[in-house]
Amino acid sequence: ETGVTQSPTHLIKTRGQQVTLRCSSQSGHNTVSWYQQALGQGPQFIFQYYREEENGRGNFPPRFSGLQFPNYSSELNVNALELDDSALYLCASSLSKAASQETQYFGPGTRLLVL
Amino acid sequence: AQSVTQLDSQVPVFEEAPVELRCNYSSSVSVYLFWYVQYPNQGLQLLLKYLSGSTLVESINGFEAEFNKSQTSFHLRKPSVHISDTAEYFCAVLRAGNMLTFGGGTRLMVKP
Repeated sequence: ETGVTQSPTHLIKTRGQQVTLRCSSQSGHNTVSWYQQALGQGPQFIFQYYREEENGRGNFPPRFSGLQFPNYSSELNVNALELDDSALYLCASSLSKAASQETQYFGPGTRLLVL
Repeated sequence: AQSVTQLDSQVPVFEEAPVELRCNYSSSVSVYLFWYVQYPNQGLQLLLKYLSGSTLVESINGFEAEFNKSQTSFHLRKPSVHISDTAEYFCAVLRAGNMLTFGGGTRLMVKP
């Protein structure tokens, strides 16, 4: 039990639609990272938010965007869904972006299926 | 750029046998290395990590990993596995800004 929760657990969308995934971090954790895990692969870094601002981004197009709120919750938004967006989306929270020793605590993930 | 390679996609092993899951990384700078475990239909759980100091790190459930700088490896070992160790194991390296780069994963299948 990491104290990180995600909703919904499962989601089915069709191509072209938009989706919002939600994450609630551990209390006091001001950094949240989002990862995409395609079936049979390791997680790929999407982006990271620190104190409500984007702090870094992986190789994902602008239709992947995010928000972080003062209450330690965050969102991942994906516009114009494509079939290849089908994956498990994981969020991870940590205390600080500055301290490399900080452990990232992962939520259980949201499984998105795009038809 | 940093990358992580897990050489085996699947490792079948009998219960109570030893196991080694291999991980190699490429990095031109100091590294922080992690092993995460993912049980079916669950998120990732931290198993162990190497930040500095002793090159041998241990987890509470009997796994250990050794950081080998000359071979750029961080292999995970357990002397005797249990059925409950069946899971996907991911090796990861920490990039600047607390961003993780993961390997492709190794599925450990423990058979009775």
